[in-house]
Amino acid sequence: DTEVTQTPKHLVMGMTNKKSLKCEQHMGHRAMYWYKQKAKKPPELMFVYSYEKLSINESVPSRFSPECPNSSLLNLHLHALQPEDSALYLCASSQRGGTPGDTQYFGPGTRLTVL
Amino acid sequence: AQTVTQSQPEMSVQEAETVTLSCTYDTSESDYYLFWYKQPPSRQMILVIRQEAYKQQNATENRFSVNFQKAAKSFSLKISDSQLGDAAMYFCAYRGFNSGGSNYKLTFGKGTLLTVNP
Repeated sequence: DTEVTQTPKHLVMGMTNKKSLKCEQHMGHRAMYWYKQKAKKPPELMFVYSYEKLSINESVPSRFSPECPNSSLLNLHLHALQPEDSALYLCASSQRGGTPGDTQYFGPGTRLTVL
Repeated sequence: AQTVTQSQPEMSVQEAETVTLSCTYDTSESDYYLFWYKQPPSRQMILVIRQEAYKQQNATENRFSVNFQKAAKSFSLKISDSQLGDAAMYFCAYRGFNSGGSNYKLTFGKGTLLTVNP
């Protein structure tokens, strides 16, 4: 099973709202990733967790707050977002993380609209 | 820094025909991995094929094969017997062995939108 699941599929929020995106995998992977993808553009890496510790933060604004409660679950907490944050948010996982040959498996994404 | 270039923003192919998507990259590393990912309109990114740089043999996966030319830093994807389900955005990606966290990162090209005509 190479499935990464993400909820919700769609999310509309106001600039003052607080919401969370959820990502889950049961492949025993120890690295998990958040990407942001604008329409017709490649994904942009936001965060990497390796063995439940934050390994990479790509200078993401603090209104995005990641959390990795356990090895199977990754959350992205959203607060005071801007309209330009509207995008597809993709989660991915891989077996070990720091190994270049490690294949990243992507979830279907959450389509976020900020009003 | 590594860069990945996909020079064809859009391509089209007739069903059952063969199409080749191009990808070039720039790196100073001698060992690395290259990937082709497919993202259909339903959005989920799927790995199509991967290639390790030190392996001479070109990777193949059913109707998908690559032409990897290390010296030329070229990594093209050939899709044979194209099917309607092959219609998608295709991203070429690079991942190297650099330390400092960059070994976690996939560097993507800008993508090629493939249309398959019936």
